[in-house]
Amino acid sequence: EAGVTQFPSHSVIEKGQTVTLRCDPISGHDNLYWYRRVMGKEIKFLLHFVKESKQDESGMPNNRFLAERTGGTYSTLKVQPAELEDSGVYFCASSQDLGEYEQYFGPGTRLTVT
Amino acid sequence: AQSVTQLGSHVSVSEGALVLLRCNYSSSVPPYLFWYVQYPNQGLQLLLKYTSAATLVKGINGFEAEFKKSETSFHLTKPSAHMSDAAEYFCAVSVYNFNKFYFGSGTKLNVKP
Repeated sequence: EAGVTQFPSHSVIEKGQTVTLRCDPISGHDNLYWYRRVMGKEIKFLLHFVKESKQDESGMPNNRFLAERTGGTYSTLKVQPAELEDSGVYFCASSQDLGEYEQYFGPGTRLTVT
Repeated sequence: AQSVTQLGSHVSVSEGALVLLRCNYSSSVPPYLFWYVQYPNQGLQLLLKYTSAATLVKGINGFEAEFKKSETSFHLTKPSAHMSDAAEYFCAVSVYNFNKFYFGSGTKLNVKP
């Protein structure tokens, strides 16, 4: 069974540009999560999808971040326009249902904004 | 509100020595606690989890952790370190609906030959 995949693995962009990160969850997992780790600090929750619906987006930093999950499959996280403080590692995770306890994480996308 | 504190951003042990990674949590409701490990260029992998059953939890690769409510701790231990244990370890807390995890800042474990 394929795990959670994320693309790209690394992205370097200039301030003001747009970047789109993609996450493919484990097949059949209705729950998809985005997290971010900035500068070696703690991994912070961004948002949670149940199928195509946003269940909780309380962790989204501001309106420069837009997450979508079309058809309840893969998800994208767009940052527009990117700022220096957006640099970090963006993790995606998925789970089959909330009672499963465990979230399965992807390898992350390292975003560097210069 | 929930939060996690991991004491020591870097821990170094000799191969064969005891591994002890510290985690303290704060939660207003009964918590569920997790340890994840991240090897280089890989995603976070679940080591073990506490979900209100036995307070001593055994995980993969010989790791275990004990939930101590009175101390609000969930320290991770392994009796004998192996070179392959070198990685970054994250403690996390969640609550009843599991829709989000609150992570600590991570501890990088270095194992010396």
